[in-house]
Amino acid sequence: DVKVTQSSRYLVKRTGEKVFLECVQDMDHENMFWYRQDPGLGLRLIYFSYDVKMKEKGDIPEGYSVSREKKERFSLILESASTNQTSMYLCASNIDSFSYNSPLHFGNGTRLTVT
Amino acid sequence: DQQVKQNSPSLSVQEGRISILNCDYTNSMFDYFLWYKKYPAEGPTFLISISSIKDKNEDGRFTVFLNKSAKHLSLHIVPSQPGDSAVYFCAASALNPGGSEKLVFGKGTKLTVNP
Repeated sequence: DVKVTQSSRYLVKRTGEKVFLECVQDMDHENMFWYRQDPGLGLRLIYFSYDVKMKEKGDIPEGYSVSREKKERFSLILESASTNQTSMYLCASNIDSFSYNSPLHFGNGTRLTVT
Repeated sequence: DQQVKQNSPSLSVQEGRISILNCDYTNSMFDYFLWYKKYPAEGPTFLISISSIKDKNEDGRFTVFLNKSAKHLSLHIVPSQPGDSAVYFCAASALNPGGSEKLVFGKGTKLTVNP
C-alpha cells in the first residue's frame, strides 16, 4: 500500500519565517505534487515535479518554492511566511503521468498557521 | 475562472437513502473525471473515475454518471451509510499543450449521512 508521509501534522510559524514542509513517498513514484486546501476554494495546485531536480509551477506558485533532490522526497518552501499562507497543505504522488491511469495518493496533510 | 464547479457546499441525507453529488465543468477538453473522498484530518482518497467516452461507471454502492452534452457529472451513493460522511471532490483531467496533465479540482461538497 502506498504511503505518503508528511513530516508535520501541525505547524505554527511567525510572519517572515522560512518554512519547510517535507513529504516522503515509499512507492518509487515518479510524480509528486503540493496542493493547498482552503474552505470554499477546494484543492489548488502549488507546484509539481515529474522527476528528480525537476519542478513545474502549478496554479498558485507565488510565495512558494520546491526542492526535489531525491525521488522519494519533495519539499515545499515558504521563503517568507505570510498570514495568507495559513492553510492545509497536502502532498500527493502517483506513478503515471496521468491521474486517470494512476490516481493521486495523498498524505494526511500539514495544517500550517502563520501568526 | 472556475472550470470545475460543485455548487452545493453541503448535502445531508438519511442513512439508507440515495446521495447524489453534482459537478459541472466548463472546459470541453476535459476527457477524464474523478471523485475523491476526504475525511477530516486525512488526505483525499480516490473513489471512482469515468472516461469521457462513457456515460456511466459503477463500483459497488458508487456510480458516476456523465452527461457530456450538459457538461455535468454526478456521483450516486446507494445506499448511503454514516461512514460515507466526508467531503467529496470532483476533479477533471485534460492534456496541456506540452503533453502534461492538467487536473482541476472542484471546491468540494460536504456529505453528512444521518443515522
